[in-house]
Amino acid sequence: EIVLTQSPGTLSLSPGERATLSCRASQSVTSSSLAWYQQKPGQPPRLLIYGASSRATGIPDRFSGSGSGTDFTLTISRLESEDFAVYYCQQYGSSPYTFGQGTKLEIK
Amino acid sequence: EVQLVESGGGLVQPGGSLRLSCAASGFTFSTHPMNWVRQAPGKGLEWVAYISSSGSTTSYVDSVKGRFTVSRDNAKNSLYLQMNSLRDEDTAVYYCARKFADWGQGILVTVSS
Repeated sequence: EIVLTQSPGTLSLSPGERATLSCRASQSVTSSSLAWYQQKPGQPPRLLIYGASSRATGIPDRFSGSGSGTDFTLTISRLESEDFAVYYCQQYGSSPYTFGQGTKLEIK
Repeated sequence: EVQLVESGGGLVQPGGSLRLSCAASGFTFSTHPMNWVRQAPGKGLEWVAYISSSGSTTSYVDSVKGRFTVSRDNAKNSLYLQMNSLRDEDTAVYYCARKFADWGQGILVTVSS
């Protein structure tokens, strides 16, 4: 089983700042099969990034993903108020399709 | 517009059974793999089960193997999760997801005596 470790657990930033979220895998993720999701209270997850760096349909270009192998990053270039939420990474290259424990992005 | 609507949740005693359904619309259901993902109250996301587009291939997280069964009826555009021998730790909101791009709103399953 691939274990995904996200850091930091909580990130406190202000609107307009840049956010950098990390996801580290315990072994190499197959074919960069790494996704990022945003989740707000009471809502299902929303797919942001798939294939490590491809934005999902309708996702603003301030969201970008990078990385390969075992180290991946989600960057939000300029935070807007609606971006404050919990973010999860997930690998879907090998079963079980594991999620990271999440990073909470909160307003400073 | 893709729509996924879960049903069948509720309160069940430990050791009991429940069958979740997910009604799909807005896409060609028979050509897409599907997944179940759950989220315990206040916790993170946990993938539960996968089923291929034809239903011929399934996989499960270890904690539900032998207790949960995922199935689908492509003629009815429906996905199912049969949950047996339920435990307290199965309490969660259960989501169905098309691949992982589209998600239902989720349905709460509470296992408690």
